[in-house]
Amino acid sequence: RKEVEQDPGPFNVPEGATVAFNCTYSNSASQSFFWYRQDCRKEPKLLMSVYSSGNEDGRFTAQLNRASQYISLLIRDSKLSDSATYLCVVNRPGNNRKLIWGLGTSLAVNP
Amino acid sequence: DAGVIQSPRHEVTEMGQEVTLRCKPISGHDYLFWYRQTMMRGLELLIYFNNNVPIDDSGMPEDRFSAKMPNASFSTLKIQPSEPRDSAVYFCASRRTEDGYTFGSGTRLTVV
Repeated sequence: RKEVEQDPGPFNVPEGATVAFNCTYSNSASQSFFWYRQDCRKEPKLLMSVYSSGNEDGRFTAQLNRASQYISLLIRDSKLSDSATYLCVVNRPGNNRKLIWGLGTSLAVNP
Repeated sequence: DAGVIQSPRHEVTEMGQEVTLRCKPISGHDYLFWYRQTMMRGLELLIYFNNNVPIDDSGMPEDRFSAKMPNASFSTLKIQPSEPRDSAVYFCASRRTEDGYTFGSGTRLTVV
């Protein structure tokens, strides 16, 4: 089993739709979780950290489910500019500087 | 701040040649990371430094790869000799202790 797994997609949704991605992780001792966004041929950029209580940033909501070992990202009222690959990132326990990256979920928002 | 600066942006080289990738981290960031990204394997950590000292190089694929950080504002990743399977995008990233990563724009390496 991979340490971090994501559905690669692609997810094709119309503008205004709500879309959700899940990401599962294998090590129950992981403590730090992030969502990064990567545009085509660009570098990854931090979208948001994921906290135990869940957190929201505008149209984006991130949640953590420790019991089932997954994190989720919900995008409401999707925009054309949300089209990108979304990377799930989890720390490897024992070393907070070593992060394990999922392969990403591709999102295409269509007009 | 100019962000993390990498050079070159693109590199095409012949198999067997030496390749040197360069990175200037954000001033004040005490961690520097070298990553490689491919379609099949995603982002893989190659090595990281803390205060210019290599901490974990377990991700370096083999002896052909080496990395240095002679000072707080400069790091290099060298591949010698290069092989076609080294073709990938190489990212440098930096961070302060508890902050998120900031990535450079990457170097797209093609070895033919």
